[in-house]
Amino acid sequence: QSVLTQPPSASGTPGQRVPISCSGGISNIGGNYVYWYQQVPGTAPKLLIYNNSQRPSGVPDRFSGSKSGTSASLAISGLRSEDEADYYCAAWDDSLSTVVFGGGTKLTVL
Amino acid sequence: QVQLQESGPGLVKPSETLSLTCTVSGVSITGHYVSWIRQPPGKGLEWIGYMYYSGGSANYNPSLKSRVTISVDRSQNQFFLNLYSVTAADTAVYYCARDSGSSGYFPGYWGQGILVTVSS
Repeated sequence: QSVLTQPPSASGTPGQRVPISCSGGISNIGGNYVYWYQQVPGTAPKLLIYNNSQRPSGVPDRFSGSKSGTSASLAISGLRSEDEADYYCAAWDDSLSTVVFGGGTKLTVL
Repeated sequence: QVQLQESGPGLVKPSETLSLTCTVSGVSITGHYVSWIRQPPGKGLEWIGYMYYSGGSANYNPSLKSRVTISVDRSQNQFFLNLYSVTAADTAVYYCARDSGSSGYFPGYWGQGILVTVSS
C-alpha cells in the first residue's frame, strides 16, 4: 500500500487530454513539492515535473503539473502514442522522514 | 552526455551483502545529491536513500535503514550502495540517480538499472 495514491490505470485517444491524480496527506503533498516521473516499460524513469509544476529542459509543454491541498495532478494534452508509459508521483514525507512514491499509473493510448 | 552506470553482481545469496557501484560520466556529482531507488519485478518504485556528494546529509528509507549504507567517492565520480542481510524480497532492479540541479535531492538523471536477484 503506497503512501501516495494513484489510479492504477488511465487511457485516452491520440490528441486527447488525460489527467492523472496523486492523493496524499498533510505530511507529504500538503506540505512539500510533488515530482512526476515517466517510465516507459523496460527503461529507467524520467523526470517530467519538479516542484509541483516545473518542467525540466526538454520535456514538452504538453505535460503539466499542479497541486491543490493534499492532491496533485499530472495532465498530458495532445496525447501521443509515445506517451504510453507508467507515471509515478513522488514527494517528501515529513512523518516518515523519507521520499515516498505513488503506486504508479499505467497510461494506455487507445 | 550524462551517463550513470550501475555495476555489481546480478546474483546474491540470501543473508549476504548486495554491493553496487554507480559510475557517473559527463557530469560531476560535486555539489549534488546522489540516490538509489529500486523496483521489484512488475512493481512500483521504492526509495532506498540519498546522500550529498560530500558524504553528509544522508537519508535512508526507514524500512531499510538498519541494513543499508550509501557512500561516495568524489575523486572517482562514483557512489555506492551496500544492502546487508538480503532476502528474496530484495530482488529488484536497482537504479542509481543524481539530482537534476533543480530538483532538490530528487532524481533527475538516472542509470539504466541493474537487476539483482537474491537466490541460493
